[in-house]
Amino acid sequence: GENVEQHPSTLSVQEGDSAVIKCTYSDSASNYFPWYKQELGKRPQLIIDIRSNVGEKKDQRIAVTLNKTAKHFSLHITETQPEDSAVYFCAASRGGADGLTFGKGTHLIIQP
Amino acid sequence: GAGVSQSPSNKVTEKGKDVELRCDPISGHTALYWYRQRLGQGLEFLIYFQGNSAPDKSGLPSDRFSAERTGESVSTLTIQRTQQEDSAVYLCASSSKTGTAYEQYFGPGTRLTVT
Repeated sequence: GENVEQHPSTLSVQEGDSAVIKCTYSDSASNYFPWYKQELGKRPQLIIDIRSNVGEKKDQRIAVTLNKTAKHFSLHITETQPEDSAVYFCAASRGGADGLTFGKGTHLIIQP
Repeated sequence: GAGVSQSPSNKVTEKGKDVELRCDPISGHTALYWYRQRLGQGLEFLIYFQGNSAPDKSGLPSDRFSAERTGESVSTLTIQRTQQEDSAVYLCASSSKTGTAYEQYFGPGTRLTVT
């Protein structure tokens, strides 16, 4: 089955700087890659996703890039703000009939 | 509209007891998923329902775990003879699965504590 690796497990950045979280996946049939943000004690919230037919997607301060050949995808957050502090999870799926396989999460800490 | 809801929000049970967790998906969503999240960990896929098709049970950790769904409505996850390692937050998600829509929307979860 699919295996998703996520790095780093903890990332601390200064407010206003950029943050990058990286994931790799193993199943070449995976074609859907969402990113979820989970604040302490709350449910995961979808923040951005990308499908395998595109290489990059951007939404305001958040962007995701996908390299299908290398089987890795990354989340980029620019101009970080205190409210960006949370745990971020990447995931991969074949879409269709499969559930999501999640990475282990990255605890992002924004230092004031 | 209303999101995914789950009940109870918290459940404390004694080791060896059975528990039932409930999920109400977003109305009209044909796909429903159960995940488990242990403290400080990622989400583990448990089971998936799509319409009236046979469920994908590939993620269920043991035969003590089972789930049912009637049509495209509520789902119940049952854990029999609970063990301490079953303590976790159990999250339900639903998806519309129309066209290329894959987005899964999560409920608030049920925090299960086995004493």
